[in-house]
Amino acid sequence: AQSVSQHNHHVILSEAASLELGCNYSYGGTVNLFWYVQYPGQHLQLLLKYFSGDPLVKGIKGFEAEFIKSKFSFNLRKPSVQWSDTAEYFCAVSGGYQKVTFGTGTKLQVIP
Amino acid sequence: DAGVIQSPRHEVTEMGQEVTLRCKPISGHDYLFWYRQTMMRGLELLIYFNNNVPIDDSGMPEDRFSAKMPNASFSTLKIQPSEPRDSAVYFCASNSPDRMYNEQFFGPGTRLTVL
Repeated sequence: AQSVSQHNHHVILSEAASLELGCNYSYGGTVNLFWYVQYPGQHLQLLLKYFSGDPLVKGIKGFEAEFIKSKFSFNLRKPSVQWSDTAEYFCAVSGGYQKVTFGTGTKLQVIP
Repeated sequence: DAGVIQSPRHEVTEMGQEVTLRCKPISGHDYLFWYRQTMMRGLELLIYFNNNVPIDDSGMPEDRFSAKMPNASFSTLKIQPSEPRDSAVYFCASNSPDRMYNEQFFGPGTRLTVL
């Protein structure tokens, strides 16, 4: 069975600080990986996804994620966060034809 | 496309009452998912359908919860009788055909409060 682990439940950063949110997954085969974002009071929206090819994936709003197969990781990064990045971030994985499994989420608070 | 549509957006009801949540997936999507989100338990998958057929309902918490998908453009999640611990935001999501592992598109959610 597949699973996803997000290391941080709550992260607080000042504006312009760099961001890295950890995500590790468990699945033995080929995986598809996602990061979703949920702004306060809104629904989940896709930030970026990895299916194959270049392990460094660029998404919307300056976010990127790197797939490191040897570490079973798919960490999310942004070089300089803004107050508007305050949200909850979910890592998700699907292997083969299994359903997408979401992590528990990381709440990011950016202080102006 | 209007995206995934859910109704109502907010529902306040009293314990013991029946609650019905509605979802219209994106046209052409044949996977539909129901999730529940709470502060305590995070995002939980309740049930999902493929071509209107329930595939996995292992996430449905109790017999008080039931879900149907009578056609490709409509699904309901019913709670009967409702309890205060059912208070949560319920999301519906849909997915494109033959790509179950592709990205899911989420609806705006229904915020349910059971008093």
